[in-house]
Amino acid sequence: DQQVKQNSPSLSVQEGRISILNCDYTNSMFDYFLWYKKYPAEGPTFLISISSIKDKNEDGRFTVFLNKSAKHLSLHIVPSQPGDSAVYFCAASVQGGSEKLVFGKGTKLTVNP
Amino acid sequence: DARVTQTPRHKVTEMGQEVTMRCQPILGHNTVFWYRQTMMQGLELLAYFRNRAPLDDSGMPKDRFSAEMPDATLATLKIQPSEPRDSAVYFCASGARVEQFFGPGTRLTVL
Repeated sequence: DQQVKQNSPSLSVQEGRISILNCDYTNSMFDYFLWYKKYPAEGPTFLISISSIKDKNEDGRFTVFLNKSAKHLSLHIVPSQPGDSAVYFCAASVQGGSEKLVFGKGTKLTVNP
Repeated sequence: DARVTQTPRHKVTEMGQEVTMRCQPILGHNTVFWYRQTMMQGLELLAYFRNRAPLDDSGMPKDRFSAEMPDATLATLKIQPSEPRDSAVYFCASGARVEQFFGPGTRLTVL
């Protein structure tokens, strides 16, 4: 039973355009969401997060949107750059400030020059 | 430049052998996690510790896997005996709050 789902295994976009990565969750107890980026042969690195009390969080070219009623979040990258090519993992933590994260299976983003 | 370190980075072994993976968390982080990444399952949590005490190892096959924190600077994950289906990348992560910092991983191949 997957509680965090990233239904698109891969996504390809042109440099300069917007990349939109999607994530759905089933557990209504999740109250904090994170995106991690992973390059080959490296560990995942934290990218951006959002609390359930917000519906948007922005950091430079990266914006995360949260739609609690739909149990859906998305990561927007504008403009996309070739260096953004990586696997992106969505993760969620359960209410109560638990450090335990549940990860999706990841979406491989390719940004073409 | 604080970072999580893991050794070895690569390990090739034969079925039935014991494998020990080591992790040095970031100094001051009180939670340590072990994950396994496979193509089919993505990132699975195997076990985690807070202040060196095991909190959750429900993701770990108990008959062959064991995780310990002998001290605050070392976490170990041991597989005995190893099987081909254990082939994966094993990540250690540490954190002080919700955000986790990952090590570079140990790529394990069991022949």
